[in-house]
Amino acid sequence: GAVVSQHPSRVICKSGTSVKIECRSLDFQATTMFWYRQFPKKSLMLMATSNEGSKATYEQGVEKDKFLINHASLTLSTLTVTSAHPEDSSFYICSAPKPGQAYEQYFGPGTRLTVT
Amino acid sequence: AQSVTQPDIHITVSEGASLELRCNYSYGATPYLFWYVQSPGQGLQLLLKYFSGDTLVQGIKGFEAEFKRSQSSFNLRKPSVHWSDAAEYFCAVAPTTGGFKTIFGAGTRLFVKA
Repeated sequence: GAVVSQHPSRVICKSGTSVKIECRSLDFQATTMFWYRQFPKKSLMLMATSNEGSKATYEQGVEKDKFLINHASLTLSTLTVTSAHPEDSSFYICSAPKPGQAYEQYFGPGTRLTVT
Repeated sequence: AQSVTQPDIHITVSEGASLELRCNYSYGATPYLFWYVQSPGQGLQLLLKYFSGDTLVQGIKGFEAEFKRSQSSFNLRKPSVHWSDAAEYFCAVAPTTGGFKTIFGAGTRLFVKA
């Protein structure tokens, strides 16, 4: 079945550096992908909608300049956390709509970011 | 405001016992309803969904859920829990009017004891 992958699965970076997370739809095309953030013992919070060929749509309260999203192709979206700080440490999950199925999404396995 | 409430942060059941996880939503109209399961360090897997029609929906792994419009609820059930069911369960809603924006509940952590 269709799968969404994320890379890396786990990353540790120093404060002030930037880190890029990739989200790929492996056997289907996705003009739209979504990025979520999950805090420990908390639910998923939608950060932004990634749109192929156009700017991402950010949810209220999410810093656009901090969380850069690029939807470079129909199978790849990237989230770059710029000038990372320890409070950016979290579990980041992407998803893509299931082809031909309204409102269902395939979720990636997530990326654990730790900023030291 | 749109919201999803899962009143139980965690639940512990014995293996073989029945399970019910509660979910209530607040929405302008009946949304699409979902239950997802997340194992530790894993992404979310769809258990079942309700779009319309029969209010009792069957999902994977022996789970079912019942939509009750009058109570704005979509509770998840399983008649006999297995140790492998231990995970985090999320109830979610999505608008029927367009767009994929999904709102998740806070989740319920299920512990299964032998």
